[in-house]
Amino acid sequence: QVQLVESGGGVVQPGRSLRLSCAASGFTLTNYGMHWVRQAPGKGLEWVAAILYDGNNKHYADSVRGRFTISRDTSKNTLYLQMNSLRIEDTAVYYCARAGRHHGDFHWFDPWGQGTQVTVSS
Amino acid sequence: EIVLTQSPAILSLSPGERATLSCRASQSVSSYLVWYQQKPGQAPRLLIYDVSNRATGIPARFSGSGSGTDFTLTISSLEPEDFAVYYCQHRSSWPLTFGGGTKVEIK
Repeated sequence: QVQLVESGGGVVQPGRSLRLSCAASGFTLTNYGMHWVRQAPGKGLEWVAAILYDGNNKHYADSVRGRFTISRDTSKNTLYLQMNSLRIEDTAVYYCARAGRHHGDFHWFDPWGQGTQVTVSS
Repeated sequence: EIVLTQSPAILSLSPGERATLSCRASQSVSSYLVWYQQKPGQAPRLLIYDVSNRATGIPARFSGSGSGTDFTLTISSLEPEDFAVYYCQHRSSWPLTFGGGTKVEIK
């Protein structure tokens, strides 16, 4: 069955870096766009970044552009989010999610991973 | 950036009642409007995509309607498991954005 498992979260100081991973199973990343969505404590959902199925087209929220990089390793069927220059306001649960349908621009999120907590604190 | 405004922020209802949730976009998103349900401690779950298409396994009591800038999620008769937070999301253009959410709580 389709499954997404995030890892790599933790506690990090402001200005430092962290890399999140999302291991995908039950489907191939080369067929689907993939996204990162985050949720700050007690807050709503915020879309963070996307990599389209072709692997070449990437999009970012203004709040993370220039600091975060989305990528994938097709040999490992794993999605990544490299987070640099972390800020306190980046504290959140980070979810990876698959686009709703293969190929094309079907940018709804289904399924979602269970999330990984990132805490930025001095 | 397209801003999605959900109302009300909190909806207090009893099981068996009808729930009507609103999502308004700051500009037209055509029919590219999606709804999710989130329960405490869980990841969100896709309910409806492109205004009115129920996701796999979603009960028929959930329905969506609207176009352009005004959209509605209706739960025809609330079941105990439906009390949760609901978010809308557009996929009309980059960046993708979510509404602030509506919490459906037990009255």
